Amino acid sequence: SQTIHQWPATLVQPVGSPLSLECTVEGTSNPNLYWYRQAAGRGLQLLFYSVGIGQISSEVPQNLSASRPQDRQFILSSKKLLLSDSGFYLCAWSVGNYYEQYFGPGTRLTVT
Amino acid sequence: EDKVVQSPLSLVVHEGDTVTLNCSYEVTNFRSLLWYKQEKKAPTFLFMLTSSGIEKKSGRLSSILDKKELFSILNITATQTGDSAIYLCAPDTGGGNKLTFGTGTQLKVEL
Repeated sequence: SQTIHQWPATLVQPVGSPLSLECTVEGTSNPNLYWYRQAAGRGLQLLFYSVGIGQISSEVPQNLSASRPQDRQFILSSKKLLLSDSGFYLCAWSVGNYYEQYFGPGTRLTVT
Repeated sequence: EDKVVQSPLSLVVHEGDTVTLNCSYEVTNFRSLLWYKQEKKAPTFLFMLTSSGIEKKSGRLSSILDKKELFSILNITATQTGDSAIYLCAPDTGGGNKLTFGTGTQLKVEL
């Protein structure tokens, strides 16, 4: 069966510090991978998605970047965090043209 | 710009009540609409709707899509405290790779 991992679960970082959040998927090949951010317990905002290694689509211009160095690994990064980067970050995967996405446990980021 | 509006934003009911959650959308390249339940962390999948007028049902939950009027509803009958969660709808756009999420409806079921 497929599983998705995210770490860390929680993170407190000062403004101006770098960020690296990691997401890995097990039990499937060539998944579509997604990064979302959720603010204030509400709707999810799609940040990046990837249909293959090295292929990243950015949905929202911002202080963040994403990379996919391996088939089942998706990384969200920032060189300098802003207060507005605080939120709940969720990674998700889907397969092929199936629209159903499966979410990881999320990382709660607080920028102080 | 794609737009998804859910109503009500929040709702408090008593156990045993029936609730109807609404989702209206204006998106390009629509193919399907998905409903998710989010309790504390990861949203969990409930339904995917692709055709108008065909009800999807799972236990006390059911959902239907109207592609002409561009909305979907999620019904929960005989609510229980375990139904307390944020319910998110998400039309698929962009050829199956993108979901645009609504702001969600926060449901609280009290004893």
